[in-house]
Amino acid sequence: GENVEQHPSTLSVQEGDSAVIKCTYSDSASNYFPWYKQELGKRPQLIIDIRSNVGEKKDQRIAVTLNKTAKHFSLHITETQPEDSAVYFCAASRTSYDKVIFGPGTSLSVIP
Amino acid sequence: NAGVTQTPKFQVLKTGQSMTLQCAQDMNHNSMYWYRQDPGMGLRLIYYSASEGTTDKGEVPNGYNVSRLNKREFSLRLESAAPSQTSVYFCASTLAANEQFFGPGTRLTVL
Repeated sequence: GENVEQHPSTLSVQEGDSAVIKCTYSDSASNYFPWYKQELGKRPQLIIDIRSNVGEKKDQRIAVTLNKTAKHFSLHITETQPEDSAVYFCAASRTSYDKVIFGPGTSLSVIP
Repeated sequence: NAGVTQTPKFQVLKTGQSMTLQCAQDMNHNSMYWYRQDPGMGLRLIYYSASEGTTDKGEVPNGYNVSRLNKREFSLRLESAAPSQTSVYFCASTLAANEQFFGPGTRLTVL
């Protein structure tokens, strides 16, 4: 079955710097890759997603890149702010109807 | 719309007791999921239901059963709780080709 790895497990950056989180997946049939943000004590919420027919997607300060050949995808956050501090999860699935497998998460701390 | 709701919010059980976690969504979503979240382990899929009338095992199904009661409701049952099942449980749903919406979670402690 699908296995998703995520690095780093923790990340500290200065406010205004960029943060990059990387994920790899094992199932070459996966074609949907969402990213979720979970603030302390709250539920995960989708921040951006990408499908296999697209190499990059941007939404304001957030971007995701996908390399299907290498089976890895990354989240890029620019101009980080203290409110970006949270746990970020990457995930993968064959279709969005199918089971979604999550990575173990990255705890991001943005230092003012 | 309430979105995805879960009951109870908190529960303490003794080893061997049983209980059912309830989940309901009012967004007319087809697919529903149960995850458990443990520190450093991320969200691990227990069971999912791609559509009403179907259920499938996820990554960690042992010790759990599920019922897709109707399109709105998807319950998770622990028949004989064990301390290893202490966790935060999230229910989620999705309509089609897009994001999963999560419930607020149930914090379960098994003594």
